[in-house]
Amino acid sequence: QVQLQESGPGLVKPSQTLSLICSVSGGSLSSGTYHWSWIRQHPGKGLEWIGYIYYSGSTHYNPSLTSRVTMLVDTSRNQFSLHLRSLTAADTAVYYCARHSSSSAFNIWGQGTMVTVSS
Amino acid sequence: DIVMTQSPDSLAVSLGERATINCKSSQSVLYSSSNKNYLAWYQQKPGQPPKLLIYWASTRESGVPDRFSGSGSGTDFTLTITSLQAEDVAVYYCQQYYSTPPTFGQGTEVEIK
Repeated sequence: QVQLQESGPGLVKPSQTLSLICSVSGGSLSSGTYHWSWIRQHPGKGLEWIGYIYYSGSTHYNPSLTSRVTMLVDTSRNQFSLHLRSLTAADTAVYYCARHSSSSAFNIWGQGTMVTVSS
Repeated sequence: DIVMTQSPDSLAVSLGERATINCKSSQSVLYSSSNKNYLAWYQQKPGQPPKLLIYWASTRESGVPDRFSGSGSGTDFTLTITSLQAEDVAVYYCQQYYSTPPTFGQGTEVEIK
């Protein structure tokens, strides 16, 4: 049973860079079948897709965030990461990692990690 | 981006009664060559991540009770919960994966009347 677990700082200062890691267990990130996404949820609000990465390192970002986002993959550690630059309070959200096949629904989600942007 | 609009924003249903949630996309999510609707439904309980219930608009994810069903095509979709149970209290989201970026509806909160 594949499981995902997000990790990272709960509090980040404005203008800094947020770095989160998603650890994959129970399966290989390198299987080639799946894409690995980051999705966020602002407090009390809806869901926003940030982008995905493939095991090869190819990425696809939401145009609304592409100028501030970088995603990386570390197949040796079975992890992928999100780096979001130039943070503002509007980036305060729960950040989820999720798995999906190409052009398919998100069928496995991590538990999420709350990130607050505040000085 | 495809805009997903759900209705209502919230609804209260008696235990054992039917709950119906609607989702409308700003453009069709039906891929003609496969005749599949690129539409999913999720359930989110407080403090938990979303859980996939339905994909391809009407295919139930493994382990999802059969009281949950999805229907619709093109731009108009419905999630139906027949015989609402206490454990179904949650926020429900529709999501299109027809085009990038994938987008979600604003959510519908289901509570017990």
